Amino acid sequence: AQTVTQSQPEMSVQEAETVTLSCTYDTSESDYYLFWYKQPPSRQMILVIRQEAYKQQNATENRFSVNFQKAAKSFSLKISDSQLGDAAMYFCAYRSPPGRSGGSNYKLTFGKGTLLTVNP
Amino acid sequence: KAGVTQTPRYLIKTRGQQVTLSCSPISGHRSVSWYQQTPGQGLQFLFEYFSETQRNKGNFPGRFSGRQFSNSRSEMNVSTLELGDSALYLCASTKQSTGTGELFFGEGSRLTVL
Repeated sequence: AQTVTQSQPEMSVQEAETVTLSCTYDTSESDYYLFWYKQPPSRQMILVIRQEAYKQQNATENRFSVNFQKAAKSFSLKISDSQLGDAAMYFCAYRSPPGRSGGSNYKLTFGKGTLLTVNP
Repeated sequence: KAGVTQTPRYLIKTRGQQVTLSCSPISGHRSVSWYQQTPGQGLQFLFEYFSETQRNKGNFPGRFSGRQFSNSRSEMNVSTLELGDSALYLCASTKQSTGTGELFFGEGSRLTVL
């Protein structure tokens, strides 16, 4: 079974600074998908960024970028120019590829999360 | 476009009772997943439905069940409630059943078992 580990329960960053959240995972699969989700205090989870394992290029979405190291099974999230609205719980998640039988397999395995505080 | 809607948002039950939670996915989304979120265990996958069929199930006892209707709305049921079932139950929907289709989450149903 796949596991996802976020070793930093809490992180803090000064507004406008850069912060990196760590995530490692364990899998025997060669093809998979990785995600970072954000859960603000209102509790609605929002997708921040996603990465397909077969793509070597790291994904970027505006101020958010990832450092995907497939061999090391590492998937860290970098937030540049941090804003107060970035304060939230961040979850790293893993998804296996769809089942070979053609059946849907949309199951995410989440890490325990990292609570990010942004200081003004 | 309306998001994923979960009802009720908050509920309190006592041990031994049963509860039904409802989820209306985004229009056009056919895949609905359920997750349990607790401080101790984090986010755990319960089950996923696609076109009224359960495609995948997490490691939960048989007291946890679900179903999906022809309009893609989904319900989950927990029977014989235990204190440990207190949690935030999140529903998520996606249009695609394959690929990196984005999961859209609802705000959750907060269940407290006394």
